[in-house]
Amino acid sequence: QKEVEQNSGPLSVPEGAIASLNCTYSDRGSQSFFWYRQYSGKSPELIMSIYSNGDKEDGRFTAQLNKASQYVSLLIRDSQPSDSATYLCAAGALVRGQNFVFGPGTRLSVLP
Amino acid sequence: GAVVSQHPSWVICKSGTSVKIECRSLDFQATTMFWYRQFPKQSLMLMATSNEGSKATYEQGVEKDKFLINHASLTLSTLTVTSAHPEDSSFYICSGVARSGANVLTFGAGSRLTVL
Repeated sequence: QKEVEQNSGPLSVPEGAIASLNCTYSDRGSQSFFWYRQYSGKSPELIMSIYSNGDKEDGRFTAQLNKASQYVSLLIRDSQPSDSATYLCAAGALVRGQNFVFGPGTRLSVLP
Repeated sequence: GAVVSQHPSWVICKSGTSVKIECRSLDFQATTMFWYRQFPKQSLMLMATSNEGSKATYEQGVEKDKFLINHASLTLSTLTVTSAHPEDSSFYICSGVARSGANVLTFGAGSRLTVL
């Protein structure tokens, strides 16, 4: 069974620090990976996608992928209280139309 | 970017009534829509997968006669909760995948259902 695992947290970091969120996946065939942010009471919103080994940067966010280790991470630099949310890691579907596999999410709390 | 419009954003109904939730893909054609349910402080739970023009595929434990899903066009999918009961109170979220381009899930804003 395909699984995505995340530490549920909460992960607390002080404002301005780097928040590091980690995710592992079980299906070696997975080719695409996503980080979604979900605020309490809201639906998930896509913040990063990554398809190749290495780093991908977008503003304060950096996603890292290591397919050999089946590991995905998200770094948030200069964390802000507004970054406090649950972050969902997802492994993309191999075939269009198949469901993505979501992790349980990591709750991040950025303390002012 | 891709947008999925979901309505209503919240609804309160009496036990035994039916509630319809609509999801429209505004700027793309969604060949597939996924419907999720999420209870407070819990993760997303996939309820069903609907492909345009065909019957939905329900996950184990989800009653297809209670949660009616229709995906009649490439831009509209609906979820009807029939004979709702208080235990059906939850946050329902749809998401769509475009028929072409990046294979990415775009979520609707969600519908919070409260059954009295």
